[in-house]
Amino acid sequence: QVQLVESGGGVVQPGRSLRLSCAASGFTFSTYTMHWVRQAPGKGLEWVAVTSFDGNVKYYADSVKGRFTISRDNSRNTLYLQVNSLRPEDAAVYYCARVHDNSDWSSIYHWGQGTLVTVSS
Amino acid sequence: QSALTQPASVSGSPGQSITISCTGASSDVGGHNFVSWYQQHPGKVPKLIIYDVSNRPSGVSNRFSGSKSGNTASLTISGLQVEDEADYYCSSYTTSSTLVVFGGGTQLTVL
Repeated sequence: QVQLVESGGGVVQPGRSLRLSCAASGFTFSTYTMHWVRQAPGKGLEWVAVTSFDGNVKYYADSVKGRFTISRDNSRNTLYLQVNSLRPEDAAVYYCARVHDNSDWSSIYHWGQGTLVTVSS
Repeated sequence: QSALTQPASVSGSPGQSITISCTGASSDVGGHNFVSWYQQHPGKVPKLIIYDVSNRPSGVSNRFSGSKSGNTASLTISGLQVEDEADYYCSSYTTSSTLVVFGGGTQLTVL
């Protein structure tokens, strides 16, 4: 079955960087559009970024544009999110997620368990 | 502030039907049939329950249904059950530079 396992979260100081990873299995990773979605403690879902199956097309939320970079390594079945210049408001659980199918990039079917990023000095 | 507007909370009694609205604009909800709905129980991962406005993924109860009129999408849950108590989020494809927008979420209480 589809499995998405995030890692790389932790406690980081404001202004520092972090790289989140998501190991995918149970499906042909290289053929699916992938997302990062985050959720601050006690808050709602916030979409962060998306990448096409081949990594050539990427979109970002305005709140992270210029600071975060989504990428993928299809040879390693792994999705990444490089997060730079972290701010307190970036603190959240970050979910790696797969679309339902590539005809609708906005419907997110499979979700990982998430990795927690805490921003604190 | 979320791009899509949902009521903060709704409630209903077991067996009743409730509807949650999701209001956007012509650049998102009104312009495309790419509206999704998610259910999230406390401490759990979100679950896709409706995609492409009105389609249910395999395994999702037919008590959940989706529709759209103009710039507003709706999720209807019929025959409310206690286990339906959860947070519900809508999302949509958007022609803005961001591609995907979420609603702020609606807390459903089953009284």
